[in-house]
Amino acid sequence: QSALTQPRSVSGSPGQSVTISCTGTSSDVGGYDYVSWHQQHPGKAPKPLIYDVSKRPSGVPDRFSGSKSGNTASLTISGLQAEDEADYYCCSYAGSYEVFGGGTKLTVL
Amino acid sequence: QLQLQESGPGLVKPSETLSLTCTVSGGAISSSGHSWGWIRQPPGKGLEWIGSMYNSGSTYYDPSLKSRVTISIDMSKNQFSLKLTSVTAADTAVYYCARMAHTRPDYWGQGTLVTVSS
Repeated sequence: QSALTQPRSVSGSPGQSVTISCTGTSSDVGGYDYVSWHQQHPGKAPKPLIYDVSKRPSGVPDRFSGSKSGNTASLTISGLQAEDEADYYCCSYAGSYEVFGGGTKLTVL
Repeated sequence: QLQLQESGPGLVKPSETLSLTCTVSGGAISSSGHSWGWIRQPPGKGLEWIGSMYNSGSTYYDPSLKSRVTISIDMSKNQFSLKLTSVTAADTAVYYCARMAHTRPDYWGQGTLVTVSS
């Protein structure tokens, strides 16, 4: 079961917007509206940011948004802040199990 | 606030069984609508889903690990556990326990490093 494909790294300046893609197949991302995104700072546990493609848990700023088109899901972070520098992982339901993306390192320049 | 805490040996010998427990506080593990799962992260690498279990007894495992994994729940102790047999160095990772809200982790433990080495 292959991991979902994410870019290894993305970068942006404070105040800018960045988008992280997560590409799967019709058996996972494309087949279900059950994509979640998780933020992980170094040495810390992941923190949920987005679930069911575009919903935000309570307490997550609306600067974080999610979407999906076909077999590719996307996480957009607007108004970049220094504290957004972290690793980001997508996760998709795949019918009887979950599959994660390989992770994307976001650098805030 | 729901909290999860992993516990277990930090060092396991090759070919032996890795055993971890997750203690849940701030909520009942018997709550409906959720499963209880395990996710791991090898050093310097990404997250890997291991599996999860509902209170009903239904279990869901990653196909590549299915033959070696067992997840169980002890509702009397508000705990759930992971057993991974025949471990190798490739199983060295930080192991996270998590509550699964249907199809996604919504609460994570802080993680515990397990090293497989003789």
